[in-house]
Amino acid sequence: EVQLLESGGGLVQPGGSLRLSCVASGFTFRDFAMGWVRQAPGQGLEWVSAISGSGGGTYYADSVKGRFTISRDNSKNMLFLQLHSLRAEDRAVYFCAKSPQGGWYGSEFFDSWGPGTLVAVSS
Amino acid sequence: SFVLTQPPSVSVAPGQTARLTCGGHIFGRRSVHWYQQKPGQAPVLVVYDDSDRPSGIPERFSGSNSGNTATLTITRVAVEDEAVYSCQVWDTTGDHPVFGGGTKLTVL
Repeated sequence: EVQLLESGGGLVQPGGSLRLSCVASGFTFRDFAMGWVRQAPGQGLEWVSAISGSGGGTYYADSVKGRFTISRDNSKNMLFLQLHSLRAEDRAVYFCAKSPQGGWYGSEFFDSWGPGTLVAVSS
Repeated sequence: SFVLTQPPSVSVAPGQTARLTCGGHIFGRRSVHWYQQKPGQAPVLVVYDDSDRPSGIPERFSGSNSGNTATLTITRVAVEDEAVYSCQVWDTTGDHPVFGGGTKLTVL
């Protein structure tokens, strides 16, 4: 059974930084692209970032490009999202999600999701 | 950016059929995927590639895609089906997924 579990969320001041982590189990982690999707309170889902199975390709939404960095450690089955220069509008639950393919292009959808971790940005 | 339009809410009585729509330009040429999300929980993929079901998803859940509208149909609706349902397509221009705003299904 695929399991994804995020951690690292919390309260941070505007301009601050956080590092989110996601531990994966139940599948061959390196064989699949992974992504982060966020959901602001009462709002819909918004794709944030993704990384190919090998880690060689990284992709970002325009809203976070230059501020967030995605990475993975395939030896530890871990996915990360480093958040810098946080803004009030970055407040959301951040979900780690698995693609059904190894490459990002044409991944089409996410077939498994973690329960999410909350990032709150406030002074 | 590609925009997906979903009605904010749909209500249905137990045992009836719920039809949740998702609108978008030139939909017929894009695969549509659907997620179910209950309060405080992770989204769950219930339909992918317009009409395929992941393992473990009841046959009561089905999808269709025609013209500019995709539809998630839930037959014999049960109380446990109450959730927010979001549609999603792949934006080939930006090479990333795009989600609709979600429809809250209330089972009366």
